[in-house]
Amino acid sequence: DAKTTQPNSMESNEEEPVHLPCNHSTISGTDYIHWYRQLPSQGPEYVIHGLTSNVNNRMASLAIAEDRKSSTLILHRATLRDAAVYYCIEDAGNMLTFGGGTRLMVKP
Amino acid sequence: DADVTQTPRNRITKTGKRIMLECSQTKGHDRMYWYRQDPGLGLRLIYYSFDVKDINKGEISDGYSVSRQAQAKFSLSLESAIPNQTALYFCATSVIGRGADTGELFFGEGSRLTVL
Repeated sequence: DAKTTQPNSMESNEEEPVHLPCNHSTISGTDYIHWYRQLPSQGPEYVIHGLTSNVNNRMASLAIAEDRKSSTLILHRATLRDAAVYYCIEDAGNMLTFGGGTRLMVKP
Repeated sequence: DADVTQTPRNRITKTGKRIMLECSQTKGHDRMYWYRQDPGLGLRLIYYSFDVKDINKGEISDGYSVSRQAQAKFSLSLESAIPNQTALYFCATSVIGRGADTGELFFGEGSRLTVL
């Protein structure tokens, strides 16, 4: 099974950048890295994904290590609305398997 | 209206009863999924379907069955519910991504099932 390792929880101050790490040391060369987040009482929502190059979108940036064994989700300015569980997922092309994720707490 | 709709949103039932959770989507996606979430844990995949004729077991399919009645509808059944199937159930859809990419998942709002 594709496995990722994330810290259980992290804290951030509002309006500061947040770097959420993920290790995926057994990732294969064609597996994409996906990030989703789950706000309280909601289903998960897509954040960003990538293969080798760093990726940016309106929600976040994804920095992928050169050896692809780790990646970092970057929220440039955390808001209270960003408090959620963030899931890092290896995509083997058939289905996405969610681990426990990182619970991000944002302090005002 | 939501693009991915789950019914019922909440259900309380008794051990041994048959339960069906329904999912319908208006996104026109071929791929549909059922996930289960237990308190404080991530999501675990129960079943997935890449088209009407393609059904696949996920990591925790025992005790569950599914039916893909049409491209837009994917139902999850518990033939004889037991208390440890008490959980939050999510349906999701996706398109086929580029290359080996699964593509973005779109989730419903969840169905909370309690088995007494």
